[in-house]
Amino acid sequence: EAGVAQSPRYKIIEKRQSVAFWCNPISGHATLYWYQQILGQGPKLLIQFQNNGVVDDSQLPKDRFSAERLKGVDSTLKIQPAKLEDSAVYLCASSPLGPGLGTEAFFGQGTRLTVV
Amino acid sequence: DQQVKQNSPSLSVQEGRISILNCDYTNSMFDYFLWYKKYPAEGPTFLISISSIKDKNEDGRFTVFLNKSAKHLSLHIVPSQPGDSAVYFCAARRGSNYKLTFGKGTLLTVNP
Repeated sequence: EAGVAQSPRYKIIEKRQSVAFWCNPISGHATLYWYQQILGQGPKLLIQFQNNGVVDDSQLPKDRFSAERLKGVDSTLKIQPAKLEDSAVYLCASSPLGPGLGTEAFFGQGTRLTVV
Repeated sequence: DQQVKQNSPSLSVQEGRISILNCDYTNSMFDYFLWYKKYPAEGPTFLISISSIKDKNEDGRFTVFLNKSAKHLSLHIVPSQPGDSAVYFCAARRGSNYKLTFGKGTLLTVNP
């Protein structure tokens, strides 16, 4: 079974530039998440999709961050304009729908963003 | 407000001995807890989980214990192996909302 795919792996941009990350979840997984992991911290949820609808985006800085999930499959996360404090690893994860065991989230390798 | 806390940033143990990683939580609504392992330059990998209706779950060398009254869980690794060296994240969620709240992680180093 293929895992969660993310690209690019690394990105360096200057502040005030824009950047986009792409995620392809595990086939059939209804729920998709974007997490931000700042160095020395645990991952923090930015946005959660169920199919192509947003379930939770309470911690997404909406003045600069946006995300969409096309046709309930792939997703893109965009930052415009970027700030220095956006430097972090951006993790995409997916999980199948339904309660109980087996609904743990599977993570991609992440995109390491450095804003200079 | 940090709802999931891992108070030990790092832990070092000898190969073959037991590793015990601890996690505390403050939100009594959490009902499902997970441990993830993360190697450098990789995403977190699911390790083991436990529902709040249980107090113990075991999978090979890994056992998670849950003490609901103390809002505390721990991960035991026996015996520890050098390949277990990684950052371990404790995570929690509530109900059918699959949003995970993570702790800051504990770096485990298993020395040969």
